[in-house]
Amino acid sequence: EAQVTQNPRYLITVTGKKLTVTCSQNMNHEYMSWYRQDPGLGLRQIYYSMNVEVTDKGDVPEGYKVSRKEKRNFPLILESPSPNQTSLYFCASSLTGTRWWDTQYFGPGTRLTVL
Amino acid sequence: QKEVEQNSGPLSVPEGAIASLNCTYSDRGSQSFFWYRQYSGKSPELIMSIYSNGDKEDGRFTAQLNKASQYVSLLIRDSQPSDSATYLCAAFNAGNNRKLIWGLGTSLAVNP
Repeated sequence: EAQVTQNPRYLITVTGKKLTVTCSQNMNHEYMSWYRQDPGLGLRQIYYSMNVEVTDKGDVPEGYKVSRKEKRNFPLILESPSPNQTSLYFCASSLTGTRWWDTQYFGPGTRLTVL
Repeated sequence: QKEVEQNSGPLSVPEGAIASLNCTYSDRGSQSFFWYRQYSGKSPELIMSIYSNGDKEDGRFTAQLNKASQYVSLLIRDSQPSDSATYLCAAFNAGNNRKLIWGLGTSLAVNP
């Protein structure tokens, strides 16, 4: 089944404890992206990647890191999480980097709580 | 600040009725428009995209675009309880900043 997977789906952690949220897609998509979704603020892009080894900042990159060593994987790293990073996180992918906006496939989401 | 605005709702319609969801956008250079459906606690799913003025139909869904008025709408005919969800509107400008701007969504409740 064609899909985007994220792990973990739920995570409660404490301030300052490094964590990684994994994202993997099996559709051979070039473009991958991370969003966070917060009430009243909607979906906001954190980082995106047009292809392997190519990443760039989205609208709210502070406090996050990413890497794209393989086409299928795009992990999101929080080096020192803070309570304002409590949010619902979505990974998304698109077939090509040239028209990435046309159809994005979203992962199931990761609900992160930072205490 | 480029914006996409939607009425947060909830919009409540009876089963079988037409649900009309509206979206306005501020960036006149926006060229591509999308409607995503998001069930509570789930991820967004693309249901319609529209690029030209006029109507685009897909099953029970019709997207309407009026670039002069900077207005996009989504009509859902014969609404079903399974259509109850939040509908997100998004607009893309392929020009200067190539940004996909998301609205906050309209919550739709279809009552049996």
